[in-house]
Amino acid sequence: AQSVTQLGSHVSVSEGALVLLRCNYSSSVPPYLFWYVQYPNQGLQLLLKYTSAATLVKGINGFEAEFKKSETSFHLTKPSAHMSDAAEYFCALANQAGTALIFGKGTTLSVSS
Amino acid sequence: GAGVSQSPSNKVTEKGKDVELRCDPISGHTALYWYRQRLGQGLEFLIYFQGNSAPDKSGLPSDRFSAERTGESVSTLTIQRTQQEDSAVYLCASSRAGSNQPQHFGDGTRLSIL
Repeated sequence: AQSVTQLGSHVSVSEGALVLLRCNYSSSVPPYLFWYVQYPNQGLQLLLKYTSAATLVKGINGFEAEFKKSETSFHLTKPSAHMSDAAEYFCALANQAGTALIFGKGTTLSVSS
Repeated sequence: GAGVSQSPSNKVTEKGKDVELRCDPISGHTALYWYRQRLGQGLEFLIYFQGNSAPDKSGLPSDRFSAERTGESVSTLTIQRTQQEDSAVYLCASSRAGSNQPQHFGDGTRLSIL
């Protein structure tokens, strides 16, 4: 069965510090993976996607993620956190049938000054 | 261009009433999805439409839930005889065909059952 696990429901960093949000997946087929961000009372906004091209994927707002097949991971990073990065982040895996995304439970990122 | 539009943005109703939620996808997107997001949780898949193909209804939690979509246009999600556990944010997304295509989400409908 396919699944997504996000380690850490809450991550706190200082402004300017490295952001690392962890995502591990389980899939018996080559995965399509996505990171989304959700601000309060809004829908989800796509940050980046992995669709079997380059393993290091760059997204919007300075975020990037590296696909590591051997570790079944797709962790999201940003070198320097901004206050505006405070939000909830979701990792998602396209299901095998291509009819839905399977989401992790989300990680809330807090950024302090 | 215009994004995915959902209405109403908020809905408060009494237990036992029926509700209808609307989603207007991005023009040209043949695939449309409904998800439910309960407080503090991830998103649960409800239903998927692709063009004129039979929808994937495997995520609908009970027969009180149904959805329709005519062609590649607007979709409505209907919940009959609402229960308090139906309280959640209902999110709609659309995409081009293909599982490698990113889904674009609306801002959701926040449903509260009294």
